[in-house]
Amino acid sequence: EAQVTQNPRYLITVTGKKLTVTCSQNMNHEYMSWYRQDPGLGLRQIYYSMNVEVTDKGDVPEGYKVSRKEKRNFPLILESPSPNQTSLYFCASKAGREAFFGQGTRLTVV
Amino acid sequence: AQKVTQAQTEISVVEKEDVTLDCVYETRDTTYYLFWYKQPPSGELVFLIRRNSFDEQNEISGRYSWNFQKSTSSFNFTITASQVVDSAVYFCALDNDYKLSFGAGTTVTVRA
Repeated sequence: EAQVTQNPRYLITVTGKKLTVTCSQNMNHEYMSWYRQDPGLGLRQIYYSMNVEVTDKGDVPEGYKVSRKEKRNFPLILESPSPNQTSLYFCASKAGREAFFGQGTRLTVV
Repeated sequence: AQKVTQAQTEISVVEKEDVTLDCVYETRDTTYYLFWYKQPPSGELVFLIRRNSFDEQNEISGRYSWNFQKSTSSFNFTITASQVVDSAVYFCALDNDYKLSFGAGTTVTVRA
């Protein structure tokens, strides 16, 4: 079954404690991206990757890092999380004009 | 730059009423794709429709219908005879090659 898998689904953490949200896809897609969703703002793109070892900033990259060492994985790294990064995060992979989204990760930073 | 505007923040209707969600977009591209997604209370994003910029034919799928008008840069979505299960946040999105640009979303509440 074609899918994008994010882990964890829910995470509560403290300010400053580094964390990684993993994202994996099984469709051999070259393109992957991360979004955050906040009330009244919709989904905003954080980073995207057109292929292995190729990443670029989206609209709201501050405070985030990504890596793309292999095609299937695209982890999102928060080196020093802050409360304003409390949000719902989605990973997506895309082939052509068809996007597949993960189930979402609800992150709370206290 | 591209932008998607969903001016309606919240809509509340009684079951069986029709509800129309507005979506207006801006883009300089001549080729683009438009989408609607549904986000139920469980949080996942559910794909509803994709439309390319060259296809202005309206589409109907069950109780859902879409009206794409390139002249007004609008891609509106109507739910006919709404049901409680239609309660969700609905997002309109515009695709260029490297990102989907989403509107802010419209929360639809259908009351029994």
